[in-house]
Amino acid sequence: AQSVTQLGSHVSVSEGALVLLRCNYSSSVPPYLFWYVQYPNQGLQLLLKYTTGATLVKGINGFEAEFKKSETSFHLTKPSAHMSDAAEYFCAVSDRNDMRFGAGTRLTVKP
Amino acid sequence: DARVTQTPRHKVTEMGQEVTMRCQPILGHNTVFWYRQTMMQGLELLAYFRNRAPLDDSGMPKDRFSAEMPDATLATLKIQPSEPRDSAVYFCASGLDRSYGYTFGSGTRLTVV
Repeated sequence: AQSVTQLGSHVSVSEGALVLLRCNYSSSVPPYLFWYVQYPNQGLQLLLKYTTGATLVKGINGFEAEFKKSETSFHLTKPSAHMSDAAEYFCAVSDRNDMRFGAGTRLTVKP
Repeated sequence: DARVTQTPRHKVTEMGQEVTMRCQPILGHNTVFWYRQTMMQGLELLAYFRNRAPLDDSGMPKDRFSAEMPDATLATLKIQPSEPRDSAVYFCASGLDRSYGYTFGSGTRLTVV
């Protein structure tokens, strides 16, 4: 069975600082991996995805993530945080047909 | 931009009443998911369909929940009878397959009193 673990339910960074949100997965087959962002009272928006090929994937709003099979990780990074990045971020894994989410990480950006 | 449409956006109902939530997937998308989001449980997968056929509904309480796709433009999630513990935000998502990712609707916020 596939599953996702997001380390840290809350992450706080200063504006301009590096953002690092951690995600580890388990899957019985090569996984497809996703990061979604959720702003208050809204649905989830796809930030980026890894399917096959290049292990470093770039997404919207300056975010990127690297798939590391040996570490079963797919951490999300952004070099410089903006106030508008404050939101909840979800990592998800799909190993066949469905998609399962981690518990989410709430990102706070301090001025 | 194409979007997934969910109705109603908000629903307040009394315990024991029937609740129906609707989802219009993006035209051409053949996969539809239903998720429930709560503070305690996070995002739970309730059911999903491909080409209107249910692939998995093991995440749903079978005695009170049902999900259907009467046609390619409509997915429904029904709760009968509703209970206070069903209070949550219910999301629908649609897509072609996992290679493309899935698009979420804005959700239905259900409150059962």
